[in-house]
Amino acid sequence: TQLLEQSPQFLSIQEGENLTVYCNSSSVFSSLQWYRQEPGEGPVLLVTVVTGGEVKKLKRLTFQFGDARKDSSLHITAAQPGDTGLYLCAGARIKAGNNRKLIWGLGTSLGVNP
Amino acid sequence: ETGVTQTPRHLVMGMTNKKSLKCEQHLGHNAMYWYKQSAKKPLELMFVYNFKEQTENNSVPSRFSPECPNSSHLFLHLHTLQPEDSALYLCASSQQTSGGDTQYFGPGTRLTVL
Repeated sequence: TQLLEQSPQFLSIQEGENLTVYCNSSSVFSSLQWYRQEPGEGPVLLVTVVTGGEVKKLKRLTFQFGDARKDSSLHITAAQPGDTGLYLCAGARIKAGNNRKLIWGLGTSLGVNP
Repeated sequence: ETGVTQTPRHLVMGMTNKKSLKCEQHLGHNAMYWYKQSAKKPLELMFVYNFKEQTENNSVPSRFSPECPNSSHLFLHLHTLQPEDSALYLCASSQQTSGGDTQYFGPGTRLTVL
C-alpha cells in the first residue's frame, strides 16, 4: 500500500511564528501537490513540484521536493491567522495510458492564533 | 472563485431515503471525479469520468450510483446508505485525466446518514 505520511497531524502556533510541515513516503512520485482546505470548503491547490530538489516560493510559503522525489516540506514564514486550515499533500503516480493516480496524505491541521 | 459548484451543501438522510448529489463545473474540463473525505482517513477517490465515460470505480458499494450526462455535470445517486457513509463528498474536475492536470475541487456536500 502506498502511503503518504504527513507530520505533525496538528499544529497550533501564534501569529508571527515560523513553521514547517512534512510529507513523507517510501514511494517515488512523478510530482507532488500541496493543497489547503479551509473549513466547509474543498481543497485548493497551492503548488505542484515536479523535479527532485525543486524549491518553489509562494509569498511566505516555501515548498521543497526531496532529491529522491519521495518527500516534501512546506515552510511558512511569519504565520498569519489567514494561514489556518488543513494542509494536504498528494503524490502523483502515472498509470498505464498516461492516467494519473493521486495518493493523498491525512493532512496537517494548522491553527494560527492572533 | 471556484469554478466547481456542488449542491446541496448539507444533507441529512435516513437509511431508507433516496437522494442525489449534484456537481457542475464551469471550467470547460473533460474529466470529473467524486471523492469521499472522512475523519482520520485520506481522501478516497470513488469514481472518475473522462469525456462522460466512467474510467474508474474504486470498489465503491452499489448503494452509490454515479451519473455523468455531459462533461459539465456529475451526479451521485444515493440509496439505502449506512451511517458509516456519513462524510464530506467532494467533486473535482480537470482538463483530462492524464498526468500533470490540476484538479479543481468544489466545496463539497456534508452528508449525514441517520
